Amino acid sequence: GENVEQHPSTLSVQEGDSAVIKCTYSDSASNYFPWYKQELGKGPQLIIDIRSNVGEKKDQRIAVTLNKTAKHFSLHITETQPEDSAVYFCAAGGSARQLTFGSGTQLTVLP
Amino acid sequence: AAGVIQSPRHLIKEKRETATLKCYPIPRHDTVYWYQQGPGQDPQFLISFYEKMQSDKGSIPDRFSAQQFSDYHSELNMSSLELGDSALYFCASSLRDWNSPLHFGNGTRLTVT
Repeated sequence: GENVEQHPSTLSVQEGDSAVIKCTYSDSASNYFPWYKQELGKGPQLIIDIRSNVGEKKDQRIAVTLNKTAKHFSLHITETQPEDSAVYFCAAGGSARQLTFGSGTQLTVLP
Repeated sequence: AAGVIQSPRHLIKEKRETATLKCYPIPRHDTVYWYQQGPGQDPQFLISFYEKMQSDKGSIPDRFSAQQFSDYHSELNMSSLELGDSALYFCASSLRDWNSPLHFGNGTRLTVT
């Protein structure tokens, strides 16, 4: 089955700086890679996703890059704000219905 | 916009008791998924349903069962509860389309004492 590794487990940045979270996956058949943000007491919320036919996708301050050859993908958050503080999960799978999650990254944006 | 509704939000049960968790998907979503998230852990897939039929099965214990009803809502039934069952249980819904992303509810926090 799929195995997803996520780093770092915790990340602290100053407000306004960028944050980068990286994930690697094992199954070359995976072609769907979403990122979820989970705030305390809430369920994971999809913030961006990318499919294997695309190398990079951007949505305002959030971007995701995918390197299928190396089997890794990354989340980039620019101009971080305190409200970006949360746990971020990457996931990988053949489709949205077959997801394996990473272990999560606790992002703290310091004001 | 309407989201996935889960009830109850919190549930406290004793060992060996049973629990039923409910999930109401986003309108027009026909596929429901159940995930279990332990403290500090990532969500683990339990089971999914499409059109009232089990679609995929993950790491769901034999003590748990689930079903999807004609209105697409789903229930997760948990019997002979153990202390280790204490966790957040999330329901997610999507359209059947393989490209349709999952939308999660805010979960049910189950505490087994």
